[in-house]
Amino acid sequence: DGGITQSPKYLFRKEGQNVTLSCEQNLNHDAMYWYRQDPGQGLRLIYYSQIVNDFQKGDIAEGYSVSREKKESFPLTVTSAQKNPTAFYLCASSIGAGGLEQYFGPGTRLTVT
Amino acid sequence: AQSVTQPDIHITVSEGASLELRCNYSYGATPYLFWYVQSPGQGLQLLLKYFSGDTLVQGIKGFEAEFKRSQSSFNLRKPSVHWSDAAEYFCAVVSTGGGNKLTFGTGTQLKVEL
Repeated sequence: DGGITQSPKYLFRKEGQNVTLSCEQNLNHDAMYWYRQDPGQGLRLIYYSQIVNDFQKGDIAEGYSVSREKKESFPLTVTSAQKNPTAFYLCASSIGAGGLEQYFGPGTRLTVT
Repeated sequence: AQSVTQPDIHITVSEGASLELRCNYSYGATPYLFWYVQSPGQGLQLLLKYFSGDTLVQGIKGFEAEFKRSQSSFNLRKPSVHWSDAAEYFCAVVSTGGGNKLTFGTGTQLKVEL
């Protein structure tokens, strides 16, 4: 079955540690996205990538970093510089660089204490 | 920049009753509009989309939405709600320039009373 996988489902880290969230897709989609979701705030775009080896900052990129070395993979690193990292993180992909219809993974809930 | 407003944070309906979730957008050109649904702790599933053409669009799970340019609205409707429809619903808009990014509303939490 084609789809988007995010692992792990739940992630716990101590404050001051960097943590990397995995996102893999086998839909052969060109574009991939990372969103952060907080209660009552909807989804906010962190980073997106339209092609391999290229990515752009979204609305809330500070404290995050990404890489896009392979078409199917778009890992997100939450660095110690992110002041409020505890959140639900969602990865998405779209068939082309147009990004008009995005498909979402199941999400990773990150808790930093 | 485009924006999306979902004025109802929570809505409660009885099973079998009709449902309408409101969505208003702010965008100068013709918008591309979406409705997504999210069950607790899960990702988002696309319910329906509007790109052009017929302003009444049909989606999955018996949902439909109507695009009204004069009111800048894209309200989601369902004639008869099922208990399994309880979830959070998000309206989103994408512009056709600057990376075609999605802008989401803050969501409406739907509760269904049996």
